[in-house]
Amino acid sequence: GQNIDQPTEMTATEGAIVQINCTYQTSGFNGLFWYQQHAGEAPTFLSYNVLDGLEEKGRFSSFLSRSKGYSYLLLKELQMKDSASYLCAVSLITGGGNKLTFGTGTQLKVEL
Amino acid sequence: DVKVTQSSRYLVKRTGEKVFLECVQDMDHENMFWYRQDPGLGLRLIYFSYDVKMKEKGDIPEGYSVSREKKERFSLILESASTNQTSMYLCASSLIGLAGGVNFGPGTRLLVL
Repeated sequence: GQNIDQPTEMTATEGAIVQINCTYQTSGFNGLFWYQQHAGEAPTFLSYNVLDGLEEKGRFSSFLSRSKGYSYLLLKELQMKDSASYLCAVSLITGGGNKLTFGTGTQLKVEL
Repeated sequence: DVKVTQSSRYLVKRTGEKVFLECVQDMDHENMFWYRQDPGLGLRLIYFSYDVKMKEKGDIPEGYSVSREKKERFSLILESASTNQTSMYLCASSLIGLAGGVNFGPGTRLLVL
């Protein structure tokens, strides 16, 4: 089976930096995704890590350590519109292809 | 842009009814997925398909079946709807190997009375 853990809620201040952690225990690991989901909307893709290290994309960065089963999403210069749920998802190799399994999400609230 | 469409945004059904949720993608993606999303439980994978007529169980397949007769269409079937299947259902698609991530449809909110 697989286990993906991330904090349920976080609060941060506009303009600050926040780090959302994700740990996983899986077999057949093939990569890690981060998604953003605003209330009432479908999730949208933010980042993908398959090798160890940091991937940077504007205000968002994502880090992966495969040996530690650990990833984080870093959001810089927080804006009010960043208030959303952030979903960590692990790609797993199966008999027929790849499946994507999600954690329960971290609800981020950005305050003034 | 990949477009994933779902047949209904909102659906109300009675217990015991057979329910079909349809999903269509327009980017020739090999993979298609069905998830349900519930408060506190997150997105849970029901079934996925990596090719026409090929399917694989996800984490919570009980009470559901799927059909993929054409590459662009993936249907989720609730053989006999029950109240615990009230949920938001999200369809997604991706290229083989999940390259570029999965792209979600807008979701279908199903209420089973």
